[in-house]
Amino acid sequence: GDSVTQMEGPVTLSEEAFLTINCTYTATGYPSLFWYVQYPGEGLQLLLKATKADDKGSNKGFEATYRKETTSFHLEKGSVQVSDSAVYFCALSVTGGFKTIFGAGTRLFVKA
Amino acid sequence: NAGVTQTPKFRVLKTGQSMTLLCAQDMNHEYMYWYRQDPGMGLRLIHYSVGEGTTAKGEVPDGYNVSRLKKQNFLLGLESAAPSQTSVYFCASSSTGTSGRRTGELFFGEGSRLTVL
Repeated sequence: GDSVTQMEGPVTLSEEAFLTINCTYTATGYPSLFWYVQYPGEGLQLLLKATKADDKGSNKGFEATYRKETTSFHLEKGSVQVSDSAVYFCALSVTGGFKTIFGAGTRLFVKA
Repeated sequence: NAGVTQTPKFRVLKTGQSMTLLCAQDMNHEYMYWYRQDPGMGLRLIHYSVGEGTTAKGEVPDGYNVSRLKKQNFLLGLESAAPSQTSVYFCASSSTGTSGRRTGELFFGEGSRLTVL
């Protein structure tokens, strides 16, 4: 079945460090891929998305590129801030399907 | 701009008690979902609905029931709560795009934290 695997956390970085959170997927169709972010005490909110191969999603300095050949959608940010501390979820949704499948989430701590 | 609203936000139950979580969305979305979030397990789909009057089982439906009598509301019921149902519950909704297909983007409520003693 469809699934999402993302790197285990927590990830701890100093402010202005480079961030990569790995995400790989398996899917039977042609999925859309998403990164969601959950700040403490809040629900998830969409961070960025990509709907087809080689698309790059970007938002708030975060980027991820849909790599069909490696079935990956790694999240990157060049310079993290303390305010980026949150849990990040990679997810997929198969076109025409009804469900979104989530990875286990990766907690990020950014130290000042 | 309410979006997706869940009530209650916190609840403590004793084993065997029943309760209902209410989710309301004001975006006219067709699709609605109930997820549970547990440490290290991400979000797991309990039940979902593709439109008013319809419901379907997700990944972990046992012990839960749902109803969607109105398009804007999606209720999650626990008939006889168990400690294993201690979790944070999230409701979400999504719309169809211009193609008529589900866009895949989910809009979440703030969550309902349930503790079963």
